[in-house]
Amino acid sequence: AQTVTQSQPEMSVQEAETVTLSCTYDTSENNYYLFWYKQPPSRQMILVIRQEAYKQQNATENRFSVNFQKAAKSFSLKISDSQLGDTAMYFCAFMSPGGYQKVTFGIGTKLQVIP
Amino acid sequence: NAGVTQTPKFQVLKTGQSMTLQCAQDMNHEYMSWYRQDPGMGLRLIHYSVGAGITDQGEVPNGYNVSRSTTEDFPLRLLSAAPSQTSVYFCASSYLAGGIANTGELFFGEGSRLTVL
Repeated sequence: AQTVTQSQPEMSVQEAETVTLSCTYDTSENNYYLFWYKQPPSRQMILVIRQEAYKQQNATENRFSVNFQKAAKSFSLKISDSQLGDTAMYFCAFMSPGGYQKVTFGIGTKLQVIP
Repeated sequence: NAGVTQTPKFQVLKTGQSMTLQCAQDMNHEYMSWYRQDPGMGLRLIHYSVGAGITDQGEVPNGYNVSRSTTEDFPLRLLSAAPSQTSVYFCASSYLAGGIANTGELFFGEGSRLTVL
């Protein structure tokens, strides 16, 4: 079974600064997907960024980018120019090729952006 | 476009009572699922469905029932509520392309906070 570990329960960052959230995973599979989801306070969870394991290039979405290290099974999220609206719980997730029912989530990192 | 809609948003039950959490999506997604979110445990899959008439168990199915009579709706039933079922419940859906996960993105509802006394 896959496991996803987020070792930072809470983090804070000053507005306009950069912060990196860590995620490691364990799998024996070679092809899979990795995700970062954002859950703002009292709002629904939304996808921030996605990485396919067979792609060596790190995914980027505006101010959000990942550092995907397949051999190390590491998938960190970097948020540049942090904004107050980035305050949220962030979940790292792993999906094996077997389908959505195979998605495994980490326990989340609570990020607070400080004005 | 409403996306994934869950009702109710909040509910308090007494032990032994039954209730249904409703989930509806208007994106014609084949895949629908229910998760529970507990502190320090992330999201855990309860039940899922890959199409009307097809359901299956996830990681923590005990105490919950589901059915999928239409593509749009996927209700979650608690048959006899227990304090251990106090949690936040999320419905999520997505596309399937030929029965295989498409982009991998799950679309979530806003959640239903359930307290069982």
